[in-house]
Amino acid sequence: DQQVKQNSPSLSVQEGRISILNCDYTNSMFDYFLWYKKYPAEGPTFLISISSIKDKNEDGRFTVFLNKSAKHLSLHIVPSQPGDSAVYFCAASAVGNQFYFGTGTSLTVIP
Amino acid sequence: DSGVTQTPKHLITATGQRVTLRCSPRSGDLSVYWYQQSLDQGLQFLIQYYNGEERAKGNILERFSAQQFPDLHSELNLSSLELGDSALYFCASSVGGTVGEQFFGPGTRLTVL
Repeated sequence: DQQVKQNSPSLSVQEGRISILNCDYTNSMFDYFLWYKKYPAEGPTFLISISSIKDKNEDGRFTVFLNKSAKHLSLHIVPSQPGDSAVYFCAASAVGNQFYFGTGTSLTVIP
Repeated sequence: DSGVTQTPKHLITATGQRVTLRCSPRSGDLSVYWYQQSLDQGLQFLIQYYNGEERAKGNILERFSAQQFPDLHSELNLSSLELGDSALYFCASSVGGTVGEQFFGPGTRLTVL
C-alpha cells in the first residue's frame, strides 16, 4: 500500500523555467514532509522539509507547498538549473513513526 | 559526502546465501535506518535503531535482521536470499530518534543470481 505517491516518473524543463514536482499522500496522520534529491550512484540528500502547521516553506530557489485538505505537496524550483537534474523523492511521516517515501520523479533540466 | 559510510558498495551472490551489509553513521548520530530500493520502487523502510535499541520496524522480511552495536555502527543481515532481494540497500542516520532530516549513505547494490 503506497501511502506516498509521485505519479510523474519524469519531468523535463528548460533551464531558467520553473520545475514543479508533485506528491500525494493518503494518510491524514502525516504531519512532517521532506523532499530529497538523488544523483546516480549516490544516496538521497535532504533538500527541504515542511511541517503540517505550515503551508509553505522556502529555501533559496526551492519552495515546498503543502495542501492538507487535498493531501498534496509540491516542490517548486525557480529558476531551474542543469545541476538540478536528479531524482526527487518526497517523504512523509507521522510524529515518531517511520518515513514513507514516494517512488521518485526524475527531473531533467535542459540547457 | 553525507558522513554515512556503507560497505560493500557492490555485492553479488547466489540464491540461498547469506550476506551482511555494514553501515557507519555520521559522528554523533544515534539513529540508524535501513531502506530497500528495488527497481522502479521508492525507498521502502526496513528498520530503525536508536542508540542500540530497535525503535521502529517497517516492511522487513523475517529472513532479514539487523543490529546496532555499542559503537553505533549497524549491520543488516540478509539470509536465504532470493532473486527478488536484488536491490539497493541504503542506510541513513540522524541525531534523534524521531522526526528529522536523515543523512543517507551511498548504498550497497546487492545482486542475487
